[in-house]
Amino acid sequence: DVKVTQSSRYLVKRTGEKVFLECVQDMDHENMFWYRQDPGLGLRLIYFSYDVKMKEKGDIPEGYSVSREKKERFSLILESASTNQTSMYLCASTGAYNSPLHFGNGTRLTVT
Amino acid sequence: GNSVTQMEGPVTLSEEAFLTINCTYTATGYPSLFWYVQYPGEGLQLLLKATKADDKGSNKGFEATYRKETTSFHLEKGSVQVSDSAVYFCALGPYGGSQGNLIFGKGTKLSVKP
Repeated sequence: DVKVTQSSRYLVKRTGEKVFLECVQDMDHENMFWYRQDPGLGLRLIYFSYDVKMKEKGDIPEGYSVSREKKERFSLILESASTNQTSMYLCASTGAYNSPLHFGNGTRLTVT
Repeated sequence: GNSVTQMEGPVTLSEEAFLTINCTYTATGYPSLFWYVQYPGEGLQLLLKATKADDKGSNKGFEATYRKETTSFHLEKGSVQVSDSAVYFCALGPYGGSQGNLIFGKGTKLSVKP
């Protein structure tokens, strides 16, 4: 069974801190994604990656960057956290064409 | 551009009631359509999908039919259970069923009372 693991379930950070959200998948998937989920806005794509060291901007990349040094790990970086980045962050992966997206359980980040 | 609109919630039903969650889309070409479900405290998981017009996706008693003429993909279940309480997301993807870079609706929260 595919497992997508996000390193933290809850995270509280201060404004201006650099924040790392980690995501690891165990199914050798090529494609990985970071979404943020907000009430009334649904899921919005931040960044995605189709291969190691490759990244593409999604719909709302401002204030974020990503890193994919190994196939199984996709990190989301908040260079200088701000209160408007308080949200639920969801990582997902998918492999072969036509296979479903597999999501982690999410990291609820609060920036104070 | 492409977009998905689904009915706003929350939806509250009694156990064994009939469920409909409306979803309409705007897209060029021949998109694929999906319903994802998010149970409390968990990530999303695929519930069902349809990759071409008139296809019916089904799973766990839920059904949705891809209607190109009305650009709709409404989710239905004949008799809901308390365990169906969750947030349901309609999503649109490219032709063929690839699920990279899906466009999600805003989600509809369903609460089922015993």
